[in-house]
Amino acid sequence: EPEVTQTPSHQVTQMGQEVILRCVPISNHLYFYWYRQILGQKVEFLVSFYNNEISEKSEIFDDQFSVERPDGSNFTLKIRSTKLEDSAMYFCASYQGTILAGVDTQYFGPGTRLTVL
Amino acid sequence: LAKTTQPISMDSYEGQEVNITCSHNNIATNDYITWYQQFPSQGPRFIIQGYKTKVTNEVASLFIPADRKSSTLSLPRVSLSDTAVYYCLVGATYSGAGSYQLTFGKGTKLSVIP
Repeated sequence: EPEVTQTPSHQVTQMGQEVILRCVPISNHLYFYWYRQILGQKVEFLVSFYNNEISEKSEIFDDQFSVERPDGSNFTLKIRSTKLEDSAMYFCASYQGTILAGVDTQYFGPGTRLTVL
Repeated sequence: LAKTTQPISMDSYEGQEVNITCSHNNIATNDYITWYQQFPSQGPRFIIQGYKTKVTNEVASLFIPADRKSSTLSLPRVSLSDTAVYYCLVGATYSGAGSYQLTFGKGTKLSVIP
């Protein structure tokens, strides 16, 4: 079964450093997302991406965040200057774009655990 | 988005059937009900989705009464590997260009005991 993959599985960085989290969505999917989950808290939407541009972003997704699809397979989340409160699990998700019934089914990757020291 | 209420936690013994109920009193006419499962340190995984009556797949069943103000996820004969957090999602927020963002609550933490 096709799956979303993410690298690295764990990233440790110093406050103020830039990090890039990488995702390979399912190959025929058209919509891509980033969510995050702070330890013990809810999964929160960050951003959605379609047709090479951001379609929606949450209040969390401020100017320190950016997303990119540099080639036909990768989807990246960059945090320019990390803060302690950015420590969380970051999940990439993708969706095919064919609504068979009701709401799309999003497929999530295993996540990257980001630790900011 | 419809507000959902589900138990914070449940315990069950291996081999038992587990039913997790979600209340969503203000569900909209065009809202679907979707359940996701999340194992520790993993991403959420789609389990099942329904609109009304009963839906069954290889993993679970979803029961939705006629008024659609609640739904019940049923897991037959659970095993230790079913220990996870289960999320009930009702509707979604349109993100534009045909996409929807998912809004997760706190979910129900199911612990399966040997």
